[in-house]
Amino acid sequence: QVQLVQSGAEVKKPGASVKVSCKASGYTFTSYDINWVRQATGQGLEWMGWMNPNSGKTGYAQKFQGRVTMTRNTSIRTAYMELSSLRSEDTAVYYCARGLAVDYWGQGTLVTVSS
Amino acid sequence: QSVLTQPPSVSAAPGQKVTISCSGSSSNIGNNYVSWYQQLPGAAPKLLIYEDNKRPSGIPDRFSGSKSGTSATLGITGLQTGDEADYYCGTWDSSLSAVFGTGTKVTVL
Repeated sequence: QVQLVQSGAEVKKPGASVKVSCKASGYTFTSYDINWVRQATGQGLEWMGWMNPNSGKTGYAQKFQGRVTMTRNTSIRTAYMELSSLRSEDTAVYYCARGLAVDYWGQGTLVTVSS
Repeated sequence: QSVLTQPPSVSAAPGQKVTISCSGSSSNIGNNYVSWYQQLPGAAPKLLIYEDNKRPSGIPDRFSGSKSGTSATLGITGLQTGDEADYYCGTWDSSLSAVFGTGTKVTVL
């Protein structure tokens, strides 16, 4: 069965960077884009961008341009999302999700930004 | 941030029906498929409907989707206490960005 398993919770100080991983199994990793979506506590879903695991091509939401980097390691079927220059407003649960249909989601990774 | 508008909440008694609207524009819903997601408390979103009205394997036919113009609708019939959750619509925009709705909380009275 399709699974996306994300790395564990992180606590970061303002100005630092965080890198979240998303390990895929149960399907051909390079056949589906990976999206990253975040959700602040009590808030809605916010799309951050996508990455094509085959080509490495990316597309980022304008809001995160210059601060987010999405990469992958195809040998271990893992996608990564790195967010830099963290501020308190970046405190949220970060999800990876598969494909154009955004059909399968990881379990989420809580990133807390606090001094 | 959300460009798709949903009602904040809907409610009904067990066994009844609810509908959730999702309003967008020609740059998103009007020209792209709509998906619907259910998010139970403390859990990741789960796909309920894709390509406007298709249900993934395992999703009961109590859940249905439709679209007309720049709006989409999720229907839930035979409401159950386990359906209490937040529901989001989602689609793609002409700028190749994904967009989500503001979210609707379903309460079973």
